Amino acid sequence: GQNIDQPTEMTATEGAIVQINCTYQTSGFNGLFWYQQHAGEAPTFLSYNVLDGLEEKGRFSSFLSRSKGYSYLLLKELQMKDSASYLCAVRDGYNQGGKLIFGQGTELSVKP
Amino acid sequence: DGGITQSPKYLFRKEGQNVTLSCEQNLNHDAMYWYRQDPGQGLRLIYYSQIVNDFQKGDIAEGYSVSREKKESFPLTVTSAQKNPTAFYLCASSIKGYTEAFFGQGTRLTVV
Repeated sequence: GQNIDQPTEMTATEGAIVQINCTYQTSGFNGLFWYQQHAGEAPTFLSYNVLDGLEEKGRFSSFLSRSKGYSYLLLKELQMKDSASYLCAVRDGYNQGGKLIFGQGTELSVKP
Repeated sequence: DGGITQSPKYLFRKEGQNVTLSCEQNLNHDAMYWYRQDPGQGLRLIYYSQIVNDFQKGDIAEGYSVSREKKESFPLTVTSAQKNPTAFYLCASSIKGYTEAFFGQGTRLTVV
């Protein structure tokens, strides 16, 4: 089977750092993706990990441990506009293919 | 400009009627996907296609049908067999089966 878990909601303060965790169990693995989704809008791509380790992109970083089935998204210097839902997704497949499966999303609220 | 176009943005239908949601991309992407999102939930995969004239069922395919006759187009039909069709429907595409997916703006379907 397949399962992707992430916390339902989190709250953080403007200017702080927040870490959103994601654990997954899939039959195959072809990469892990993080998306941001504001209410009523389409998800937008944030980051991609296929090898173990940390990928940094400005205020956003994403980490992957394939042996543990674990990833996190780190957001630094939080801004009010970062209030959104953050979706963890895994490509469940082999040989450069497979379906893209999403977790239920983590609703992040950034407070002043 | 290249992108993914979903139309219409809002759609109202009477219960018992079939309805087709349009998804067109001019990004020359091979893979296309359909997701359903209910309030406060993550994205659930309905169908996906990695090549023209081929598609696979996702986790919630019952009551839905698709076709992939052209690379650019992946229409989704919501049939009367779908018990709870009211939802936000998102179409996505990716270059190949292993790269990040880009989303259209979504169609909000309401069945009355």
